[in-house]
Amino acid sequence: QTVVTQEPSLTVSPGGTVTLTCAASTGAVTSGYYPNWFQQKPGQAPRALIYSTSNKHSWTPARFSASLLGGKAALTLSGVQPEDEAEYYCLLFYGDSWVFGGGTKLTVL
Amino acid sequence: QEQLVESGGGVVQPGGSLRLSCAASGFTFSSYGMHWVRQAPGKGLEWVAGIRYDGHNKYYADSVKGRFTISRDNSKNMLYLQTSSLRVEDTAVFYCVRASGFNVGDYWGQGTLVTVSS
Repeated sequence: QTVVTQEPSLTVSPGGTVTLTCAASTGAVTSGYYPNWFQQKPGQAPRALIYSTSNKHSWTPARFSASLLGGKAALTLSGVQPEDEAEYYCLLFYGDSWVFGGGTKLTVL
Repeated sequence: QEQLVESGGGVVQPGGSLRLSCAASGFTFSSYGMHWVRQAPGKGLEWVAGIRYDGHNKYYADSVKGRFTISRDNSKNMLYLQTSSLRVEDTAVFYCVRASGFNVGDYWGQGTLVTVSS
């Protein structure tokens, strides 16, 4: 069974920088997995942040960036704001299916 | 503006069926792939099924293969998920999600809750 692994939780100070990662049980994450990233706040539907590894949506704040890093997909938040506290999910493409990571709960403290 | 509105959720007994619907508006529905994503209470997101813009290709998570069927009616701007042989572990909020190729989930519905319980 395909498993996509994210850090369960991370804590960052306001104004700081944090990197969330997304690893595939099948090996290194490449651009062919077309990583997507989503943010979800309590009681809300998820909101898309990034598609195809590093492409931002028109509404994605500039402080969010994404890349491939050390065989994983990575989402970096620079200059973290209190409103960035949320759950973050990655999504990877597996040919005929998609698999979400388990999510990272980001606390801004 | 783009909008997705799900309906059809409810309470059903194990082994039962439900048909979920998603009404799309504000964009050319027939030009986009569509997906269903679910979220069990207090849990993470799970991709359930996807369908190509023209309905010719359909894809399913192993957990629902053979039990769920995704379909669409481009003349009505509607997406569907027929669920059957429902299990307690299928209890979740089901979201309708738009996709443009590998750009998945630029728009989400508000979700519809399916509760499987005796």
